[in-house]
Amino acid sequence: SQQGEEDPQALSIQEGENATMNCSYKTSINNLQWYRQNSGRGLVHLILIRSNEREKHSGRLRVTLDTSKKSSSLLITASRAADTASYFCATETSGTYKYIFGTGTRLKVLA
Amino acid sequence: GAGVSQSPSNKVTEKGKDVELRCDPISGHTALYWYRQSLGQGLEFLIYFQGNSAPDKSGLPSDRFSAERTGGSVSTLTIQRTQQEDSAVYLCASSSQRGNQPQHFGDGTRLSIL
Repeated sequence: SQQGEEDPQALSIQEGENATMNCSYKTSINNLQWYRQNSGRGLVHLILIRSNEREKHSGRLRVTLDTSKKSSSLLITASRAADTASYFCATETSGTYKYIFGTGTRLKVLA
Repeated sequence: GAGVSQSPSNKVTEKGKDVELRCDPISGHTALYWYRQSLGQGLEFLIYFQGNSAPDKSGLPSDRFSAERTGGSVSTLTIQRTQQEDSAVYLCASSSQRGNQPQHFGDGTRLSIL
């Protein structure tokens, strides 16, 4: 079964608002990554956070990782219509190079 | 090329036929992954290649599925005797080395089994 579970499954916000997505996982990890997928396309890597890191920023993106709770959050600030996409978390399981993807959050940003 | 290339982009075939899906990773990337994505779902891991090491085939759903990677570069995913439940988007990704690296994805092959 999928290890990563994103919450919410779908999110609709107005342009300029912030969007927060959460990811939970089940086992020890080497790192957690967030990806974006536009309809009909492959996934685009957004940010990687290692298991010994707690927070990371990249532009309008902020990712937190709480390994004690086995959870992560992705915050997109000042959202734009172009941010409309599905967002997936992926965890690299400790001791392997295998990635487990979550089921995704469908974000819709209304102009 | 600049990115991961997959072909064909779309494939429609009859149940029972064999299909081959191709992936050209980014030049120099030693790690290559195949995933399957059903409509509106997340990605399901299928197989992982790293350099000349034996591949991790633990995600292949049945013995009808196989994959190879020739010369450490191009990979082919083969599905024999296709079934309707094989209909999905098959995504390939590569990364520059093992562990703690972002994956670079192709746009996938959309496979439809009639």
